Amino acid sequence: GESVGLHLPTLSVQEGDNSIINCAYSNSASDYFIWYKQESGKGPQFIIDIRSNMDKRQGQRVTVLLNKTVKHLSLQIAATQPGDSAVYFCAEGDLEYGNKLVFGAGTILRVKS
Amino acid sequence: EAGVTQSPTHLIKTRGQQATLRCSPISGHTSVYWYQQALGLGLQFLLWYDEGEERNRGNFPPRFSGRQFPNYSSELNVNALELEDSALYLCASSAGLAVTAQETQYFGPGTRLLVL
Repeated sequence: GESVGLHLPTLSVQEGDNSIINCAYSNSASDYFIWYKQESGKGPQFIIDIRSNMDKRQGQRVTVLLNKTVKHLSLQIAATQPGDSAVYFCAEGDLEYGNKLVFGAGTILRVKS
Repeated sequence: EAGVTQSPTHLIKTRGQQATLRCSPISGHTSVYWYQQALGLGLQFLLWYDEGEERNRGNFPPRFSGRQFPNYSSELNVNALELEDSALYLCASSAGLAVTAQETQYFGPGTRLLVL
């Protein structure tokens, strides 16, 4: 079936550097994309979302880029901090499939001090 | 404002038993979603409830069921538990039944179910 996949299962960055987490999706009909951060022992925490009519959206220290041509999504974290260490999930939604989200496997982000 | 809450935080059961997990959505949210996160796997969609009705269901057997109460809280019931049901069960809520656009889902801390 359709799935969302991640290129890199683990990403290690130095504190203060920028991080880029990538995600490929396969459902060209998906019209909503979202990034979650999950720390150990906690539920996923909303970071940022983007709809298919946009190609870029910025939040506080984070930017999501959407390239519909190649079905690619990325999360950029500026000035990465130790508190950013977590598992990051991308997810896609398609209104035709009734509001459910399809999640990728996740990328582990490790920030080295 | 309180976020999504779930109870219990941990649950230990044996094979064949039934488990009941509970979720209270963010105040004002009418939609509740259930996901299963097995060890080493991503989140798998289980169920979606809105206004007391099941709106969508993931690819899980019928022994996974649930309901939503008039106050929008929800229960997930898992009957005839199997070892592979051991997982973190996450509940999320959103503002309501999306007609023209997907609503952001906010997650609770989860219930960790262990089946022995």
